[in-house]
Amino acid sequence: GENVEQHPSTLSVQEGDSAVIKCTYSDSASNYFPWYKQELGKRPQLIIDIRSNVGEKKDQRIAVTLNKTAKHFSLHITETQPEDSAVYFCAASIQKLVFGTGTRLLVSP
Amino acid sequence: DTAVSQTPKYLVTQMGNDKSIKCEQNLGHDTMYWYKQDSKKFLKIMFSYNNKELIINETVPNRFSPKSPDKAHLNLHINSLELGDSAVYFCASSPKGPHGGTEAFFGQGTRLTVV
Repeated sequence: GENVEQHPSTLSVQEGDSAVIKCTYSDSASNYFPWYKQELGKRPQLIIDIRSNVGEKKDQRIAVTLNKTAKHFSLHITETQPEDSAVYFCAASIQKLVFGTGTRLLVSP
Repeated sequence: DTAVSQTPKYLVTQMGNDKSIKCEQNLGHDTMYWYKQDSKKFLKIMFSYNNKELIINETVPNRFSPKSPDKAHLNLHINSLELGDSAVYFCASSPKGPHGGTEAFFGQGTRLTVV
């Protein structure tokens, strides 16, 4: 079955810096790659997604890149703000959404 | 106007008890899921239903039994609760199943504590 690895497990940056979170997946048939943000005590919420026929997608300060050949995808957050602090999950999907292990991002003012 | 709602939000119970968590979605989605999030924040799928039919059943003890009376509802019943069942359980739904490249919308979670 699909296996998704995510790195780093924790990431601390200063406000204004960029943050990058990387994921790899095992099943080349996966065709959908969402990223979720989970604030403390809240539900996971989609922040951006990308499909296998697209290499890059951007939405304001966040962007996702996908390398199908290498089976990895990344989340890029620019100009980080304290409210970006949360746990971020990548996921890969064919029949079911398999999540990475999460990255705890801390943005210090 | 809550999209995916689950009850209760908190559940504290003793070992050996039986408990249920209810989930309802008003998005008209065909597919619903149960996920378990442990203390390390790992999110793991447990079950998936598409139009009331069970389509994904991960390696979950058979003390856990999902029931979907209609495509808008997916309940989770847990028998003989154990300490290791303590976790946050999330219900989710998506427009097409199973997952087929669409966003999953999560409920607010049920924090289950077994003492």
